Amino acid sequence: DAGITQSPRHKVTETGTPVTLRCHQTENHRYMYWYRQDPGHGLRLIHYSYGVKDTDKGEVSDGYSVSRSKTEDFLLTLESATSSQTSVYFCAISEVAGAPTGQFFGPGTRLTVL
Amino acid sequence: AQKITQTQPGMFVQEKEAVTLDCTYDTSDPSYGLFWYKQPSSGEMIFLIYQGSYDQQNATEGRYSLNFQKARKSANLVISASQLGDSAMYFCAMREGGGTGNQFYFGTGTSLTVIP
Repeated sequence: DAGITQSPRHKVTETGTPVTLRCHQTENHRYMYWYRQDPGHGLRLIHYSYGVKDTDKGEVSDGYSVSRSKTEDFLLTLESATSSQTSVYFCAISEVAGAPTGQFFGPGTRLTVL
Repeated sequence: AQKITQTQPGMFVQEKEAVTLDCTYDTSDPSYGLFWYKQPSSGEMIFLIYQGSYDQQNATEGRYSLNFQKARKSANLVISASQLGDSAMYFCAMREGGGTGNQFYFGTGTSLTVIP
């Protein structure tokens, strides 16, 4: 299994508070991604990174920011959490563009915003 | 327009029977990849099978095969000899080629239940 961990695995927070989720990989893969999974929507891309300090927005990036200061870590920050950001968040990694193995996923973080 | 469409929210199949999960995609990029993932009730995402847009033959991985019909933009997953452990959500995904993005697009998923 690809070495991907996410922390925390579960978090309950209140509206308006900042939240940071961490994704850590030991595979030295170039690409890292943050998705959210909601019923009826599948997985939707929030942000992704194609190298250290190189990031770009996905389809649902509003209210989220990311940072990647090291190859192995990709942080997702909710500056001021809202109830609509209650979701399961998955981190994924990919070795190179065109890899036939697709992405490897972390175990997910369940975030509840009250 | 949706990049990936999965029209079957839920499917049932008898144990040991074959089942086809539908997936259509939309892209104008000549270079792309198609993937299927399995998500059991425990929540992890498991890669199943890959098909490249230039691959001439349908991909197969054990009991999984991908019925790739390029002209119809269809990439259906076929599971042969279903097992109880196949009960899960199945997601079709596409990666469009080119650039630095390497973005993946996912469908909304199909929930498969295998009946003993």
